This record gives sequence, C-alpha cells and structure tokens, in this order.
Amino acid sequence: GQNIDQPTEMTATEGAIVQINCTYQTSGFNGLFWYQQHAGEAPTFLSYNVLDGLEEKGRFSSFLSRSKGYSYLLLKELQMKDSASYLCAVMDSNYQLIWGAGTKLIIKP
Amino acid sequence: DGGITQSPKYLFRKEGQNVTLSCEQNLNHDAMYWYRQDPGQGLRLIYYSQIVNDFQKGDIAEGYSVSREKKESFPLTVTSAQKNPTAFYLCASSMIRTDYNEQFFGPGTRLTVL
Repeated sequence: GQNIDQPTEMTATEGAIVQINCTYQTSGFNGLFWYQQHAGEAPTFLSYNVLDGLEEKGRFSSFLSRSKGYSYLLLKELQMKDSASYLCAVMDSNYQLIWGAGTKLIIKP
Repeated sequence: DGGITQSPKYLFRKEGQNVTLSCEQNLNHDAMYWYRQDPGQGLRLIYYSQIVNDFQKGDIAEGYSVSREKKESFPLTVTSAQKNPTAFYLCASSMIRTDYNEQFFGPGTRLTVL
C-alpha cells in the first residue's frame, strides 16, 4: 500500500527553527510537494522536490532523499503567522498526489 | 484574477437530502479534483477529471457523483447514500504534465448534515 507519515503536532518558539519530517512509501515517485494550510482554509503550495537535495525559498527550505523515502521542511525565523498545518504529498507513478495527514505546527511567543 | 471558486463556504442539509457543491476555475486547467478532509486526516480523493465528459473514481467515491460538462466546472453531488457526509470539501485543479503537477485549491465548502 501507499503510506506517508508525518508527526501529528509540533510546537516551536517564535524566532526559532523547526524541521518537519515526512517519510513515504509509494508506488512510484514523481515528486514531493509541501503545502501550508491554515485552519479552515485551502492548502497553499510551498515547495516541490523531485531531485535529491535542498531547495531554499526564503525562510522555508525543503530537502529530499529519494533513496531513503524521506523529506523535511525547514522553517527559519518562525513567526506567529506560521502556525498552520503542513501537508506532505507525493506524486505516484500515475501522477496522482498521495497526501499525508499533515503536521499541526504551534508557534509560542 | 485567475483562480478557483467554490460555493457556498458553509452548507447545512438535513439527513437524506442530496446536495451539490459548486467548483469553477478560470485557470484553463485540464484536470480537476475533489477531496474530502476530516479532522486529523489528510486529503482523500473523491473524484478527478482530466478532460471534459470524463472522470475517474478516487479512493472514496461511494456516495458521491460528479459531472464535467465544461472545462471550467466540476460540481460534486453528495448523495443520501454517503453515510457520513459532514466534512470539509476541497476542489483543486492542475495542468496535466508529467514533470510537475502543482494543484491549486479553492477555498473549500464545509458541509454539515443535521
């Protein structure tokens, strides 16, 4: 079966750094997406990785290791507005997105 | 502005009634999707369509129906056969490419069945 695992909830302090991990087992791999979703709102795109390595975009970075079936999202200089759920999704061999349950990130002052 | 609209944002229905959720996009995307999201769970695919007049069942299609008569529109009907319809419903669209298929989401419809 296909499976994507993320921690259910994480807590971090404003101004700090947090790393959200995602491990996956899917039938094929055509890329990994990270989305941010504020409560009651639609998910919005953060990053896409298809090759191994680190992609940096401002305060957010995403890393992929295809051999390990592993990715992480790194958030730096945390702000209160970063409190949200972060969803990991893998595109499988049929080019369909398989979604993790999401990680709820709580930022404390 | 290009985007995806869903209406209404909140919807209440009595048990046993069918209800149709609207989804419209003006991004000229070929593919459209319907997801259901329950608390503490990821997005689960209900139906998707890659071309007009054609659609495919996702993982949880039972109790739902869709149509794709126009490229821009992909309405979802929640039928009385759906045993637990109260949920947050998200519509998305994307281009069809083999290298990158970012999905763009509408604002969602929260359906509550009383």
